[in-house]
Amino acid sequence: EAGVAQSPRYKIIEKRQSVAFWCNPISGHATLYWYQQILGQGPKLLIQFQNNGVVDDSQLPKDRFSAERLKGVDSTLKIQPAKLEDSAVYLCASSPNTPDDYGYTFGSGTRLTVV
Amino acid sequence: QKEVEQDPGPLSVPEGAIVSLNCTYSNSAFQYFMWYRQYSRKGPELLMYTYSSGNKEDGRFTAQVDKSSKYISLFIRDSQPSDSATYLCAMRGGFKTIFGAGTRLFVKA
Repeated sequence: EAGVAQSPRYKIIEKRQSVAFWCNPISGHATLYWYQQILGQGPKLLIQFQNNGVVDDSQLPKDRFSAERLKGVDSTLKIQPAKLEDSAVYLCASSPNTPDDYGYTFGSGTRLTVV
Repeated sequence: QKEVEQDPGPLSVPEGAIVSLNCTYSNSAFQYFMWYRQYSRKGPELLMYTYSSGNKEDGRFTAQVDKSSKYISLFIRDSQPSDSATYLCAMRGGFKTIFGAGTRLFVKA
């Protein structure tokens, strides 16, 4: 079974620039998550999709972050404009949304540095 | 007060030692308790999960949940250098999963 694919692996941008991250979840997984992990902290949920609908985006800074999941498969997360405090690893995860889907499968993440 | 508290460490132990990792939490709604392992520059991977209180064993790993004390533990027996990683506890209630900050573990050969 192929894992969760993310790209790019690394990105360095200047503040106020825009950036986009891409995620391809495990085939058949209905639920997709974007997490932000700042150095030394645990992952923090930004947005959760169920198929192509949003379940929870309460912690997404909507003035600068946006996300979409096309056709219930791939997803993109965009930041525009970026701030220094957005420097973090952005993790994508997916789960099958069955009664026992207690855990997620994570991708390797995109490490963003804003300078 | 954070919903999930986890000592960031680092914790350094010699090879073969028994390792104890712990988290406390404040939200009584949490029903599922997970432990993830995260190697450097990788995403977290699910190690173990437990539903409600009790123990669960998987090879060298044992997870314990004490809901009355709002305390969970992960024990690693016969620790190996390959166990060196950050261990994240996670707790789920409904659709909401909260992660701890992670404990960095170093196992010295």
